[in-house]
Amino acid sequence: DGGITQSPKYLFRKEGQNVTLSCEQNLNHDAMYWYRQDPGQGLRLIYYSQIVNDFQKGDIAEGYSVSREKKESFPLTVTSAQKNPTAFYLCASNNPPSGGRDTQYFGPGTRLTVL
Amino acid sequence: GDSVTQMEGPVTLSEEAFLTINCTYTATGYPSLFWYVQYPGEGLQLLLKATKADDKGSNKGFEATYRKETTSFHLEKGSVQVSDSAVYFCASNAGGTSYGKLTFGQGTILTVHP
Repeated sequence: DGGITQSPKYLFRKEGQNVTLSCEQNLNHDAMYWYRQDPGQGLRLIYYSQIVNDFQKGDIAEGYSVSREKKESFPLTVTSAQKNPTAFYLCASNNPPSGGRDTQYFGPGTRLTVL
Repeated sequence: GDSVTQMEGPVTLSEEAFLTINCTYTATGYPSLFWYVQYPGEGLQLLLKATKADDKGSNKGFEATYRKETTSFHLEKGSVQVSDSAVYFCASNAGGTSYGKLTFGQGTILTVHP
């Protein structure tokens, strides 16, 4: 089955610790995205990558970092600099035509809780 | 900048009732428009989409028409079921300089009672 996997489903972290969320896709998509979802709000874009070894900041990149060493993988690190990291994190991917207006497909999400 | 506004929820309906969830957008250029659905504890699933004015997206009995004149993309379903209970997100993607960025509404919680 083709799809996007995120692990772990639930993650607990102590304040001051960095933590890395995994996102893997076997859809052969070029572009990958990370969103953050807070209760009662829509999703907000953290980082995105259009191609391997390249990525761009989204609207709320402060306190986060990413890498894109392989086409199928786009891990997100939540650093201790992120002031309010407790949230639901969603990864997405697609193969956008020129202009990037194509449908994005989402993984199941990781719920991060800072204790 | 781009924005998407959805009607506030939560929306509570009885089974077989008619559903409308309003969505309006502001964007430069001509965005693609989407409705996504999220079931509890899960990621988002694409429900339907439209890529140009007057296009109608449809899936599983849900419909939405891209209205450029009113900058709207309202979601409708003629007869809801208990299994439709979920959070519904309207989103736009203008592409261009906003490459890859989906702009989301705040989501509307729908609860359908038997």
